[in-house]
Amino acid sequence: QSALTQPRSVSGSPGQSVTISCTGTSSDVGGYNYVSWYQHHPGKAPKLMIYDVNKRPSGVPDRFSGSKSGNTASLTISGLQAEDEADYYCCSYAGTYTVFGGGTKLTVL
Amino acid sequence: QVQLQESGPGLVKPSGTLSLTCAVSGGSISSNNWWSWVRQPPGKGLEWIGEIHHSGSTNYNLFLKSRVTISVDKSKNQFSLKLSSVTAADTAVYYCARVVSNWQEYYFDYWGQGTLVTVSS
Repeated sequence: QSALTQPRSVSGSPGQSVTISCTGTSSDVGGYNYVSWYQHHPGKAPKLMIYDVNKRPSGVPDRFSGSKSGNTASLTISGLQAEDEADYYCCSYAGTYTVFGGGTKLTVL
Repeated sequence: QVQLQESGPGLVKPSGTLSLTCAVSGGSISSNNWWSWVRQPPGKGLEWIGEIHHSGSTNYNLFLKSRVTISVDKSKNQFSLKLSSVTAADTAVYYCARVVSNWQEYYFDYWGQGTLVTVSS
């Protein structure tokens, strides 16, 4: 049940695109299409941005997209906006347990 | 709109038991969902603690399993967390969340605002 591996930080200018990776194993990310992504502003509740690898909940802008290849999932944010600056966490179902990534701080320059 | 609200002591003594409750409103805890606890230690990432179904079935983080109990009270539409033998490493913001879990999907769709629990004498 080791945490999924994410880069500690990424950055981009407004209008640019950034991609955050999330690497696990064949027991979690690679074994199930149940990867979700959460946006977290300090002091607030995490917000679901992507679920089941690439599905977007109602109300989440289509600038947010998800994908997966093997044991690595990715979140891409296109057309960066200042409000996107936050921490992002990936999460994977793994049968009898669930595991989060270590989190990535997105800075909008 | 489903809402979740954590409550419980903000300070627990070392070796004591941390007890939190999550009140669910706007929906039934007996719906076909699971209910989960997640925590975030200061300066660190999110950590899954465990989850429960209204039937009483549970899944726990292997590293916490020996100290964790999650229970559900259908009459009060709430679920609870107990973590025993706490140390300073258990200091964290604790979140409760609703889990959508079935053969097609798994994700956390509603979260509480979180409550800070500090372990200190």
